[in-house]
Amino acid sequence: DAKTTQPPSMDCAEGRAANLPCNHSTISGNEYVYWYRQIHSQGPQYIIHGLKNNETNEMASLIITEDRKSSTLILPHATLRDTAVYYCIVSVAGGTSYGKLTFGQGTILTVHP
Amino acid sequence: EAEVAQSPRYKITEKSQAVAFWCDPISGHATLYWYRQILGQGPELLVQFQDESVVDDSQLPKDRFSAERLKGVDSTLKIQPAELGDSAMYLCASSALARFEQFFGPGTRLTVL
Repeated sequence: DAKTTQPPSMDCAEGRAANLPCNHSTISGNEYVYWYRQIHSQGPQYIIHGLKNNETNEMASLIITEDRKSSTLILPHATLRDTAVYYCIVSVAGGTSYGKLTFGQGTILTVHP
Repeated sequence: EAEVAQSPRYKITEKSQAVAFWCDPISGHATLYWYRQILGQGPELLVQFQDESVVDDSQLPKDRFSAERLKGVDSTLKIQPAELGDSAMYLCASSALARFEQFFGPGTRLTVL
């Protein structure tokens, strides 16, 4: 699976949009981009995933560049409860590797009042 | 809302002792994963089951770790003997067949003294 690069930490003011970047320059055509987050002392939580089109759900939006070498997770109106470690993961969808997630260090997002 | 259950939540043991962790996935989820998360790092996949069969155990230290999912439902992860370096959070996750989203349990925090 392709590796990802994320900033180690970011800050965001409550109520503002949080934009979390991720670089995955070696991504292959059959690899998806996944985002998970982990709130302190809890298990990771799925946020969103995409292949090449931008995606939106009730939690966030995922913007993938046209060349697919980077992406941005957007939390439109960050709250204090969004303070967590955010993981960007690239993984194939198929065969015996289906669903295999390789977590990196992630980005620690701190939302402050 | 259905959740992945894990027990115990906390376990303290002495090195060379045997420990076991239990996971009950969301009902109907065919795929079950065990991850290990060392403090300050992202989770690392130890073993993946599809029903009762092991799909991937390439990162499982097989000299001391074992995992089973006999009836394709709940699962047990065992460590024998435990070593100091095994202190970590052990996370269980499950997913429905051919779905991207993994649902994580709260984890078992293991401390080896």
